Amino acid sequence: AQKVTQAQTEISVVEKEDVTLDCVYETRDTTYYLFWYKQPPSGELVFLIRRNSFDEQNEISGRYSWNFQKSTSSFNFTITASQVVDSAVYFCALSEASNYGQNFVFGPGTRLSVLP
Amino acid sequence: EAQVTQNPRYLITVTGKKLTVTCSQNMNHEYMSWYRQDPGLGLRQIYYSMNVEVTDKGDVPEGYKVSRKEKRNFPLILESPSPNQTSLYFCASSLLPPGAGGKLFFGEGSRLTVL
Repeated sequence: AQKVTQAQTEISVVEKEDVTLDCVYETRDTTYYLFWYKQPPSGELVFLIRRNSFDEQNEISGRYSWNFQKSTSSFNFTITASQVVDSAVYFCALSEASNYGQNFVFGPGTRLSVLP
Repeated sequence: EAQVTQNPRYLITVTGKKLTVTCSQNMNHEYMSWYRQDPGLGLRQIYYSMNVEVTDKGDVPEGYKVSRKEKRNFPLILESPSPNQTSLYFCASSLLPPGAGGKLFFGEGSRLTVL
């Protein structure tokens, strides 16, 4: 069964620090997709990135970067020079090709607090 | 503007009083889904729909019903709400199903309290 673990329940950093949010997943599929979503205090869910299982290239988008490692089943998310506006709950999620319609499985989330 | 719209955003009700949370999307997406979010549990799928008149259970369907009579609408029905259904509910849609890499667009959430 597919599963997503985000071991860090809460993280607090001071503004301008770098922070990495961990995501470890379990799947038996060879074709799957990994996602990160952000949930700011206002409550909406904002898409950040999608990565398929065949693309292990790391991705950088501004201050955000993602490290996908199939060997360790991890898809970690790093924020460089964090800002107060980065304070949110971040969810990692997994979908499997064999579970075509069902189950976009979310991890429990990591609450990030960036202090001024 | 592309969006998923849920109503109501906030609702307090009493045990057993039927209620419906509406969800509408304007992106012509075929796939729609409902999730509930509870502290420490992340988001769990309640029901999903691959297309009009095609619905199926997710992980936590007990106590809920859905219908998909039109492509844009996917209401969530609580026939007899109970306090354990107090939660934050999200509707989502995507062009492709999750297993095909579909990226979910979420509504703003509906916070439901059942007394």
